[in-house]
Parts: sequence; C-alpha cells; structure tokens
Amino acid sequence: KAGVTQTPRYLIKTRGQQVTLSCSPISGHRSVSWYQQTPGQGLQFLFEYFSETQRNKGNFPGRFSGRQFSNSRSEMNVSTLELGDSALYLCASTRDSGANVLTFGAGSRLTVL
Amino acid sequence: GENVEQHPSTLSVQEGDSAVIKCTYSDSASNYFPWYKQELGKRPQLIIDIRSNVGEKKDQRIAVTLNKTAKHFSLHITETQPEDSAVYFCAASINTDKLIFGTGTRLQVFP
Repeated sequence: KAGVTQTPRYLIKTRGQQVTLSCSPISGHRSVSWYQQTPGQGLQFLFEYFSETQRNKGNFPGRFSGRQFSNSRSEMNVSTLELGDSALYLCASTRDSGANVLTFGAGSRLTVL
Repeated sequence: GENVEQHPSTLSVQEGDSAVIKCTYSDSASNYFPWYKQELGKRPQLIIDIRSNVGEKKDQRIAVTLNKTAKHFSLHITETQPEDSAVYFCAASINTDKLIFGTGTRLQVFP
C-alpha cells in the first residue's frame, strides 16, 4: 500500500509570505501528526489531527496552523514566514489517535530567504 | 509538558564495538518509549520501543533499557556495522499520546 505522501517536497519562500504543506496518510490511517526538523533541535512536535479535530498541539506560535479533511488528508499552514521557519516539515500517520507507531512521510523542505 | 534530553549528540565507534545512547524524560507519567532511526536523506523509522511495564527489550543487536525511578532509558547497539550509521531519536509519551522526541544522536560507525 502507498506510504505517507507529502507535497511539495521542496519549496523556497521569502520572509512574510505564507506556505501550505500537504500530507496524505496511509490508507486507513486516521491520525496525522506534524513535526518540524531542524539541525540541533531534532523533531519538534507541531500538532496532531484525528477525525478532523486537533487533538494535541505543540509549543509553536499561532502562525503555525493545520487542519484535517474528511478523507484524513492534512494540511499545515505557516503565515508571515520568518528565516527561522526554514526546516524539514515531516508528517506521520497512525491508524488511531495517539502516537503509537508513526509512519513518516519524506518531508517538505522549506527554505525561507 | 514532557521534555526529553538525549546524549550524546554525536557518537563515533569502530565497527564491531558497542554504542549506547541515553535519554532522560521529565514527566513521570510517560509510559511509552520508542526509538527511531533516520538514515541520511531518509525518513525516521521505528526500530524498537518499550513500555513502562517492561525493564528491557531486545531485538537482535539492539536493546532498550528503562529505569523508571531515574526516568532514564537507553538504546544499546552491539557489534555495530557501517549500516548502523544514522541519526537516532528517542521519544516519550503518555499512553501513546503525542510523541516528544529528543534532539537526536548522530552515530558514525567506522570500518
């Protein structure tokens, strides 16, 4: 079966712009979590969605938001981009709510100039 | 909230030697501790996990130990091979709720 698919894989934005990233979970998985990966900071939890509801949220500013659709696909949005938002954004899916075994996508690498 | 500290940040070993990575968690209610391996340019993948009702778990050359009293857990890799070279992340959660990851350990195994 298809894995977790993230689009776009690479993108370049400038400060002040906004960006939307997409994540399609494994078929049958209803939970999607988002993580920001930067060198030295590891994987920082952004939020988790289950059945179109945000179940958990990390310690990121309100510029970071997300949503989940009825088909379990999820999007995250970052508004008013800052240089420090440059990172690899990973999403992961699980069958049920709660982390359990995360299956990660390949990530979306965002560069903010 | 939960905080996970991971040490060392880099680790270099000779092929065949053992490698140990240690993590400390802050929330005593945490009861699920997975380890993920991320090879260069690839996505993180689960390699082993342990729950708080177990003190040790092994899977071939890898093992994880848990000390609930000290809130420590460790990954042990024996007979390291070049293909073990990767970044390893520990994580902790409560009842498999949101996973909080450590900052990662870059392991290099030299032939």
